[in-house]
Amino acid sequence: DGGITQSPKYLFRKEGQNVTLSCEQNLNHDAMYWYRQDPGQGLRLIYYSQIVNDFQKGDIAEGYSVSREKKESFPLTVTSAQKNPTAFYLCASGLGVHHTEAFFGQGTRLTVV
Amino acid sequence: GQSLEQPSEVTAVEGAIVQINCTYQTSGFYGLSWYQQHDGGAPTFLSYNALDGLEETGRFSSFLSRSDSYGYLLLQELQMKDSASYFCAVPGGGNKLTFGTGTQLKVEL
Repeated sequence: DGGITQSPKYLFRKEGQNVTLSCEQNLNHDAMYWYRQDPGQGLRLIYYSQIVNDFQKGDIAEGYSVSREKKESFPLTVTSAQKNPTAFYLCASGLGVHHTEAFFGQGTRLTVV
Repeated sequence: GQSLEQPSEVTAVEGAIVQINCTYQTSGFYGLSWYQQHDGGAPTFLSYNALDGLEETGRFSSFLSRSDSYGYLLLQELQMKDSASYFCAVPGGGNKLTFGTGTQLKVEL
């Protein structure tokens, strides 16, 4: 089945540690996205990528980094520079330019203690 | 930049009709999408409007007015399972996809 997979579903980390969230898609989509969602809030764009080896900062990129070495994969690293990393992280993908529909993974809930 | 505003919460009774509004400001407009998200879940696509007018998909319809930078999602024959958050979204230049603030819909008996 085609889809977008995020792992792990729940992640706990100590303050000050970097952590990498996985996002893999087998939909052959060009565009991929990372969003952060806080309780009762909307989706805020962290980073997005149109093609392999290219990505752009979204609205809240500080404290995060990404890579796009393969079309299928778009991992997100939450660094120690991110002051408030505890949140629900959602990865999405879309086909083509100005695509009409984005497909989401099930999310990773990151808790930093 | 891009920004989208929605009411934070809407409450309606089962069987009723509810409208969720979205106003947007964007540099370059390609269309308006709507997504549904249940608590703890992933957003799922509902509809997309590129042109002015009403698009109907079963109990859900979506409307767009490009001249007013405004759209809405219309939910008919509300069911308890429709209780969720609803987001409007706009694709922007370079495939940037921005979401609205979200509207939490509560359906009551």
